[in-house]
Amino acid sequence: SAVISQKPSRDICQRGTSLTIQCQVDSQVTMMFWYRQQPGQSLTLIATANQGSEATYESGFVIDKFPISRPNLTFSTLTVSNMSPEDSSIYLCSGGTGDGYTFGSGTRLTVV
Amino acid sequence: EDQVTQSPEALRLQEGESSSLNCSYTVSGLRGLFWYRQDPGKGPEFLFTLYSAGEEKEKERLKATLTKKESFLHITAPKPEDSATYLCAVQAGGSTLGRLYFGRGTQLTVWP
Repeated sequence: SAVISQKPSRDICQRGTSLTIQCQVDSQVTMMFWYRQQPGQSLTLIATANQGSEATYESGFVIDKFPISRPNLTFSTLTVSNMSPEDSSIYLCSGGTGDGYTFGSGTRLTVV
Repeated sequence: EDQVTQSPEALRLQEGESSSLNCSYTVSGLRGLFWYRQDPGKGPEFLFTLYSAGEEKEKERLKATLTKKESFLHITAPKPEDSATYLCAVQAGGSTLGRLYFGRGTQLTVWP
């Protein structure tokens, strides 16, 4: 199965700023996704990262707030824009080809 | 609306005391049910994918089973290192491959 590297692993950011999270997969995967895990909660899908085209967002998530890029089959970025304390969460990248999906170790974001 | 419910929320077992975790789901045409293990501060670790009722998969002390309405994760003679949060996720028919909807998880603690 694919190995996913995510960075940064954690960050503390000022409100109103933006943070870009990077996700690198060690092999080509068909699908890449971004999830959010709020404290004490389970994972919520933010969007599907589509190679070379606009991401597909889930209800409640918009491109202006969470722009996503996927220039090739092994790399994707998620930007959390104009951050507020409510954006404090763990952001996770996931990738796979169908039978199972691997997750990165996550980015723990604190907005102050 | 697709839903995934896990029970119990928390489970404490003595080492060697076998038990089961439950994942019940309502989804439009199940394409796959996934079990993950998540340790504190880490991303989910893939355990199993089940596709059809009656299917079973095993890995060390873990055995996952699937019916038309629920899945069980059986833990036989658990050890303290099995302590983690176990997450269940489903992929609905008609949805993009890999879009997973997660339950809230069962936090398992195994004490010596």
